[in-house]
Amino acid sequence: AQSVTQPDIHITVSEGASLELRCNYSYGATPYLFWYVQSPGQGLQLLLKYFSGDTLVQGIKGFEAEFKRSQSSFNLRKPSVHWSDAAEYFCAVDSGENAGNMLTFGGGTRLMVKP
Amino acid sequence: KAGVTQTPRYLIKTRGQQVTLSCSPISGHRSVSWYQQTPGQGLQFLFEYFSETQRNKGNFPGRFSGRQFSNSRSEMNVSTLELGDSALYLCASSALNEQFFGPGTRLTVL
Repeated sequence: AQSVTQPDIHITVSEGASLELRCNYSYGATPYLFWYVQSPGQGLQLLLKYFSGDTLVQGIKGFEAEFKRSQSSFNLRKPSVHWSDAAEYFCAVDSGENAGNMLTFGGGTRLMVKP
Repeated sequence: KAGVTQTPRYLIKTRGQQVTLSCSPISGHRSVSWYQQTPGQGLQFLFEYFSETQRNKGNFPGRFSGRQFSNSRSEMNVSTLELGDSALYLCASSALNEQFFGPGTRLTVL
């Protein structure tokens, strides 16, 4: 069975500092990988996705993520954090197009931004 | 295009009652998935419907059920509510393996 681990439950960074959120997955084949963001009381917004091809993917709001097959990782990065980035971030894996849509999520990382 | 809509947004029920939640997907999307989000268990997949058929199912008891209509709108039902069913229920519609989430229905069971 597939699984996703986000080792950091909470992260605090200063505004303007760089950010990296870690994500490790367990899956037999090449997974479809996603990062979502959730603001309090809201649904999930897709930041970026990886299906295949270039291992460095760009997303919305200045985020990027790098797929590293050898490390089973898909870490999210942003060069300069804004106060509005404070939210909870979820990494997720999907089995792929032939299996339907069934996301397995990590436990989430709550990001706090200091002024 | 309008996004995924879920109704109602908030719901309070008592133990033993049943509840029905509704989800309207993005126009043209034929896949609808449901997830439960709780502080203790996080985000967990409930089930997915595609063209009125359940295509995938998560590890939840039979009290949780769903259906999809010919216009792709979906409902989920929880019977004999338990305190532990208090959660945010999220619906997502999908095209090309990308899921778009609604704002969720916050269910509180007293």
